[in-house]
Amino acid sequence: GQQLNQSPQSMFIQEGEDVSMNCTSSSIFNTWLWYKQDPGEGPVLLIALYKAGELTSNGRLTAQFGITRKDSFLNISASIPSDVGIYFCAGSRAGGTSYGKLTFGQGTILTVHP
Amino acid sequence: DTGVSQDPRHKITKRGQNVTFRCDPISEHNRLYWYRQTLGQGPEFLTYFQNEAQLEKSRLLSDRFSAERPKGSFSTLEIQRTEQGDSAMYLCASSLFKLGSYNEQFFGPGTRLTVL
Repeated sequence: GQQLNQSPQSMFIQEGEDVSMNCTSSSIFNTWLWYKQDPGEGPVLLIALYKAGELTSNGRLTAQFGITRKDSFLNISASIPSDVGIYFCAGSRAGGTSYGKLTFGQGTILTVHP
Repeated sequence: DTGVSQDPRHKITKRGQNVTFRCDPISEHNRLYWYRQTLGQGPEFLTYFQNEAQLEKSRLLSDRFSAERPKGSFSTLEIQRTEQGDSAMYLCASSLFKLGSYNEQFFGPGTRLTVL
């Protein structure tokens, strides 16, 4: 089963507000990824993080790889209606055959009111 | 379009029938992954290939499931004797793996399976 705890489960915000969501794990991951998924479509990669403590931005999105390697967060600034969707964190472990697979969180459903 | 493609996008079948899905990865990617996603959950890993070699299979992958990547390019996922619990979105992803590189996986649009 899934081992990443993602929160909050859902958010309802006004257009223009900032959003923050996070992901925690009981295990260490060496890569953290954030994806966005629209209904009926596959996840789209937003940001990838590779080093503990790393802070990376992609437009209005900023994500950080926690120092302990057991958590990550994603911030969206000045939200717009097209930010609506489900956001997933995903982690990849180091070493062995487990290197290939991603473990996903349960997702954060984001609704933006105009 | 140079992204990951999957076919079909939707499949409705009766319990007990066999189904096969196809995934075409990004052309230069040597790794190909299959995930399953049920409503309200994140994707769960099923299996992955590096070139034509199947390197890992999840315990979720019962004996009724088989995946192949015969020439190291496209892959197929077959489910035999489908059950209602197999209803889910089946996602394919690909990545370019090199020693010391990063594991950025890019997903296809998925195949939605409904077992009646």
